[in-house]
Amino acid sequence: EAQVTQNPRYLITVTGKKLTVTCSQNMNHEYMSWYRQDPGLGLRQIYYSMNVEVTDKGDVPEGYKVSRKEKRNFPLILESPSPNQTSLYFCASQGLATDTQYFGPGTRLTVL
Amino acid sequence: QKEVEQNSGPLSVPEGAIASLNCTYSDRGSQSFFWYRQYSGKSPELIMSIYSNGDKEDGRFTAQLNKASQYVSLLIRDSQPSDSATYLCAFEGVNTGFQKLVFGTGTRLLVSP
Repeated sequence: EAQVTQNPRYLITVTGKKLTVTCSQNMNHEYMSWYRQDPGLGLRQIYYSMNVEVTDKGDVPEGYKVSRKEKRNFPLILESPSPNQTSLYFCASQGLATDTQYFGPGTRLTVL
Repeated sequence: QKEVEQNSGPLSVPEGAIASLNCTYSDRGSQSFFWYRQYSGKSPELIMSIYSNGDKEDGRFTAQLNKASQYVSLLIRDSQPSDSATYLCAFEGVNTGFQKLVFGTGTRLLVSP
């Protein structure tokens, strides 16, 4: 089954404790992206990647890091999480020949 | 001015009625427009894409695009309770690289039986 997976789905952590949210897709898509979704603000892009070793900042990259060492994986790293990073995070992927972004199930992060 | 404006709703319609969802955008150079549906607690899923002025129909859904007015809409005919969700309008930003989508905050649709 074609899908985008994210782990963990839910995470409660404390300020300053480094964490990684994993994202993996099995569709051989070139493009991957991370969004955060907050009430009243909608979906905002954090980082995106057009292929292996090619990443770029989205609209709200501060406090986040990403890497794209393999085509299928695009982890999101929070080196020192803060409460304002409490949000719902979505990973998405898209193939070059399509106009559809496929979203993962989401990761609900709470930073205390 | 927000890049994408949507009425947050909720928009309430009875079962069987036509639901009309509207969206305005600020980037005159945008060429690609999308409607995503998001059920509560779930991830967004693409339901319609439109690239040219006019109407595009897919089953009960019709997307309408007017680039001169910077306006895109989604009509849902014969609305069903299962259509109750938040509908996100998005466009592909110009000069921002491959498929950089800019999303609106969404309109919540409630279809009552």
